[in-house]
Amino acid sequence: AQSVTQPDIHITVSEGASLELRCNYSYGATPYLFWYVQSPGQGLQLLLKYFSGDTLVQGIKGFEAEFKRSQSSFNLRKPSVHWSDAAEYFCAVGARQTGANNLFFGTGTRLTVIP
Amino acid sequence: ETGVTQTPRHLVMGMTNKKSLKCEQHLGHNAMYWYKQSAKKPLELMFVYSLEERVENNSVPSRFSPECPNSSHLFLHLHTLQPEDSALYLCASSQEPSYNEQFFGPGTRLTVL
Repeated sequence: AQSVTQPDIHITVSEGASLELRCNYSYGATPYLFWYVQSPGQGLQLLLKYFSGDTLVQGIKGFEAEFKRSQSSFNLRKPSVHWSDAAEYFCAVGARQTGANNLFFGTGTRLTVIP
Repeated sequence: ETGVTQTPRHLVMGMTNKKSLKCEQHLGHNAMYWYKQSAKKPLELMFVYSLEERVENNSVPSRFSPECPNSSHLFLHLHTLQPEDSALYLCASSQEPSYNEQFFGPGTRLTVL
């Protein structure tokens, strides 16, 4: 069965510092991988996705993620965090079932940005 | 309207009430989803509709009843809910095939008294 682990429940970084959010997945085949961000009171917005090809994926808002098959990881990175990046971040793995796409989400990492 | 909209944004109901959540997608997608988001837990997929047919029902209690009258609209009918059903209910849509991402609505914050 598919599963996603985000080991960090809460991370605090200073504005301008670099950021890495960890994500490990479990899936028997080549996964589809996603990072979403959720601001308070809002739905989830897609930051980036990986399906195949280049293992370093660029997303919106200056985020990038690297797929490492040997480590079953898909960590999210940003070189310089802005105060507006404070939000909850969710990693998800996609699995093709009969019918539509199913996503399995991690429990999320809450990011706090301090001045 | 653009994207995925959900109404109402907030709902408070008693355990004996009947209410419905509405989701509408303006993206021309052919698949729609209901998720439940509770604190400290991963998003739980409740129902999936593809081409207006239910293709997934993840052991959801019968007090939740989905309806998908067409590819743009999705409802979640609620009756005799329990306080533990209080959560954020998110609707999403996508365009098959499966490598297309899901687009989420803002959610309905449900409180069951």
